[in-house]
Amino acid sequence: RKEVEQDPGPFNVPEGATVAFNCTYSNSASQSFFWYRQDCRKEPKLLMSVYSSGNEDGRFTAQLNRASQYISLLIRDSKLSDSATYLCVVNGGGSYIPTFGRGTSLIVHP
Amino acid sequence: ETGVTQTPRHLVMGMTNKKSLKCEQHLGHNAMYWYKQSAKKPLELMFVYSLEERVENNSVPSRFSPECPNSSHLFLHLHTLQPEDSALYLCASSQDLALSTDTQYFGPGTRLTVL
Repeated sequence: RKEVEQDPGPFNVPEGATVAFNCTYSNSASQSFFWYRQDCRKEPKLLMSVYSSGNEDGRFTAQLNRASQYISLLIRDSKLSDSATYLCVVNGGGSYIPTFGRGTSLIVHP
Repeated sequence: ETGVTQTPRHLVMGMTNKKSLKCEQHLGHNAMYWYKQSAKKPLELMFVYSLEERVENNSVPSRFSPECPNSSHLFLHLHTLQPEDSALYLCASSQDLALSTDTQYFGPGTRLTVL
């Protein structure tokens, strides 16, 4: 089983839609969780950290479910500019190096 | 943003050439990383340095040779590469490997083409 798994997509949604991505992780001792965004031919950039109680940043909401070992990212009112690949990252639990998922591609169309 | 810079941004080289990629971070971080990202593939961790000491070498072929002369600079020396080594090479830095809450900051990458 891969350490961090994501559905590669692409998720193809119209502007204004709500879309959600899940990411599962195999190390139950993992401690830190993040979502990164990578635009086409650009470097990954931190979108948001994921806290145990869940957290929100504008149209973006991140949730952590430790029992089922997954994190989620919800994007409300999608914009064309949200089109990108969203990378799930897990750290801690005996590993001091972040583990990246393969990313989920989102395409928002007019 | 100029936190992590990489040069060159684009590189085309023949299989017999020797070249070096350079990464510099201006964030005062202690850890630096090299990643490879091939088309439509996930990020592949290559090397990790903490306080100028290599702590991870992820089964990378010896034709890739890293060098970390100080905590702000990281090099990747390339020699006798293969066409399948063509990819985007990303450098990243983070504050401290010991912090599981550590987040990484990436450079813009070097897009390498091996002919």
